[in-house]
Parts: sequence; C-alpha cells; structure tokens
Amino acid sequence: DVKLLESGGGLVQPGGSLRVSCEASGFTFRTHAMNWVRQAPGKGLEWVSGLSGSGGMTYYADSVKGRFTISRDNSKNTVYLQMNSLRAEDTAVYYCAKVSGNYFGSLDSWGQGTLVTVSS
Amino acid sequence: EILLTQSPGTLSLSPGERATLSCRASQSVKSDYLAWYQQKPGQAPRLLIDGGYSRAAGIPDRFSGSGSGTDFTLTVSRLEPEDFAVYYCHQCGISPYSFGQGTRLEIK
Repeated sequence: DVKLLESGGGLVQPGGSLRVSCEASGFTFRTHAMNWVRQAPGKGLEWVSGLSGSGGMTYYADSVKGRFTISRDNSKNTVYLQMNSLRAEDTAVYYCAKVSGNYFGSLDSWGQGTLVTVSS
Repeated sequence: EILLTQSPGTLSLSPGERATLSCRASQSVKSDYLAWYQQKPGQAPRLLIDGGYSRAAGIPDRFSGSGSGTDFTLTVSRLEPEDFAVYYCHQCGISPYSFGQGTRLEIK
C-alpha cells in the first residue's frame, strides 16, 4: 500500500520560512517523480512544484518560483518543500503526491496534507 | 502556462442521472497528460482518470473520460450518492502544470 505522510506545517509570520516534509512508503521511491499541490481554505487545487525521481529536474509554479525549493532524499524516501519569504496567500493545506512516472504523469497517490498558516 | 477552464461551476443532478463535466484548455494538451480527480470534503483528492480516458485502479466503470486537443469530458453514467463531490481536471505534461477550478456536483 502506498503511504504518504506530510509533516512540518504550522503557523508562521509573513516573511518567515518553513519546511514541510513527506515520507513515502509502499513503492520504489526513486523511480517516481513527486509533486506538491496546495489548497487554500475553501478554494480549489493549485499545483506548486515537482521534481523527477533522481531529483535532477525541478519545476515550479510562477507564484512560488524563487521563494520555494523542492528537494528529495531517496535514501530516506522523503521529499521536502522549503518555503521562504512566506506571504498570507501561501496559507493552504499542502499535499504531497506521487507521480505515476519518473518525470511526468498523473498524481496517483496523495497524502492527507499539512496545514500552513501565514499570519501575524 | 496552460489554463484549464471547467464547466459548469456547479452541476445539480439526482442519483441515477448522467453527469457530463467539461474541461477546456487554453492550448493543446496531449491526452496522455490529462487527468481527472474527485475530492470529497475533508479528504485528499483521488485520481479517477489517467491519460485522458483510462480509469485508475478501483474506479467504477460508470466513470469515463474522453476528448483530445483542448476539449476533454468526464462522464458519470449513472450517479450514485457517493459521487456527489468536487471534480478537477489536471494537465501534467507541460510545466508549470495546472488544475481547472473545479466542478461541484451536488444533489438536486
């Protein structure tokens, strides 16, 4: 069974930083790309970032480019999202999701999400 | 960036009826990289349709996907009570990837 467990969410002040993590199990982690998707309260899904199985290719939404960094540690089956210069509009539930392929593809498994609140 | 526009925003139907949900892209999307998800309140999204028309594991055959280029459709042939939820289309072929704004399927 694929399992994705996010952690690290919480309350942070505007301009602050936070790192969320996602520990994966139940599949060969290094052969699948991983994505982060967020959902602001009462809103729809917004794709945030993705990286390939090796971590060599990374992708970002324009709204987070230059502020967020995605990375992975294949020895720990974990993907990270480092979020800097946080803004109120970054407040959302952050989901990690497993990609069906090594580079591209649909999101075939999702974690339960971790809530990030940016507020003073 | 490819913009995905879903219609209608809300669809009110009764159990047993047929639902047709639309997703239009601002530029052509390869069918291989168009997916549909279902999300219920308080839950993570769930993959329904992969590659434009392939049902994900465990998805009932009343769900079907079709379309190509810029126009894609999700059809639910006979609505069951558990199908009332929000549905999103997603293009995952050209970065930055994107989601439609969602269609809420509600009980009439």
